[in-house]
Amino acid sequence: GAVVSQHPSWVICKSGTSVKIECRSLDFQATTMFWYRQFPKQSLMLMATSNEGSKATYEQGVEKDKFLINHASLTLSTLTVTSAHPEDSSFYICSAGGGQGGYEQYFGPGTRLTVT
Amino acid sequence: GESVGLHLPTLSVQEGDNSIINCAYSNSASDYFIWYKQESGKGPQFIIDIRSNMDKRQGQRVTVLLNKTVKHLSLQIAATQPGDSAVYFCAEMWAAGNKLTFGGGTRVLVKP
Repeated sequence: GAVVSQHPSWVICKSGTSVKIECRSLDFQATTMFWYRQFPKQSLMLMATSNEGSKATYEQGVEKDKFLINHASLTLSTLTVTSAHPEDSSFYICSAGGGQGGYEQYFGPGTRLTVT
Repeated sequence: GESVGLHLPTLSVQEGDNSIINCAYSNSASDYFIWYKQESGKGPQFIIDIRSNMDKRQGQRVTVLLNKTVKHLSLQIAATQPGDSAVYFCAEMWAAGNKLTFGGGTRVLVKP
């Protein structure tokens, strides 16, 4: 399967600051990328879907002004958590779609965000 | 108070035995189903998938069964090994390129 990387793998930031997480598809062009959030001992919850060159589509309850998504190229999407608060501490995972048949999604290794 | 999902269902299995993990999905229009394995601190790892026009698919040591009548999906792991210890999630998709909806997850603990 395709390789997706995330950077950083973990980050600690102070409350009120912003953090940017990068998601890269290393060996294929991803027309669509997805951002998920996972709290401890819970499942993955989709936050937003981004298509290259267009605005992201956010799931209900996800603040688009707080979680800024940019998908400027077919290999890079970024998620910026603005004015982070301790309740934003979570495991953020991206996936890249658009593989053969259109069904496949390839997941990144995740980014652990801790807001102090 | 306690929230739903803080305690993942856990399946304890003896090394060498077979494991069966079950999942009920929600959307009768879903046409693609996937099982993922997630180890602590890592992203989901693809195990096996199945399209809605099939009821069984086999991989290496794993078998997925799909029962569309009752919207039920299962993952069978043969000869479970310590490396199989992880959380397993089922996911459904109803159209190519659409979003995945994940189930709640099951923790598998393999006892030596």
